[in-house]
Amino acid sequence: GAVVSQHPSWVICKSGTSVKIECRSLDFQATTMFWYRQFPKKSLMLMATSNEGSKATYEQGVEKDKFLINHASLTLSTLTVTSAHPEDSSFYICSAPPAGGRPWETQYFGPGTRLLVL
Amino acid sequence: QQPVQSPQAVILREGEDAVINCSSSKALYSVHWYRQKHGEAPVFLMILLKGGEQKGHEKISASFNEKKQQSSLYLTASQLSYSGTYFCGTAEANAGGTSYGKLTFGQGTILTVHP
Repeated sequence: GAVVSQHPSWVICKSGTSVKIECRSLDFQATTMFWYRQFPKKSLMLMATSNEGSKATYEQGVEKDKFLINHASLTLSTLTVTSAHPEDSSFYICSAPPAGGRPWETQYFGPGTRLLVL
Repeated sequence: QQPVQSPQAVILREGEDAVINCSSSKALYSVHWYRQKHGEAPVFLMILLKGGEQKGHEKISASFNEKKQQSSLYLTASQLSYSGTYFCGTAEANAGGTSYGKLTFGQGTILTVHP
């Protein structure tokens, strides 16, 4: 089956630093990728839709200057948490529907990245 | 607005059945079901599309009532491995009659299966 990877799987950083999280589709192309955030014992919340070759679309309440998204190629999207603070500590998960497919039918989730900001 | 799942938690013994419900106030194109183990990413179980229903696994099935915007996940003869948090993710229908694929997740249902 299709595989989506994320790197790193774990990151601990000091408050004020920036952290980059990568999401890669390993055996398929993805023109769209979705970024979710999950707090402990809570549901997944969509943060933004990453679009290859164009600007990301952010959900209401998500600061685009805080969470920078770049969809550099058909297999890579990155999420950069700028000037991270402890309240940004969370589990970040990406998902990707195969390009040319029907996004409402198939999405493959990455394994997630745990961010801890001290 | 996120879909509402019920119940919030279920405790079963092996072999028992369970039903988890998901209800939305939006017009839906599809409903996706996932199971998440602690510390792991969600794992895809099932998708229900507008106009039909689909069974993804042998003992796990689901239904989708488009008119009521409700879906139910049926777990039969539960096994210990079924334990986890179950989420429904809903994809809203767009003006073109399909969907952009953004999923809005319910709050989750914690399922615990005991021996």
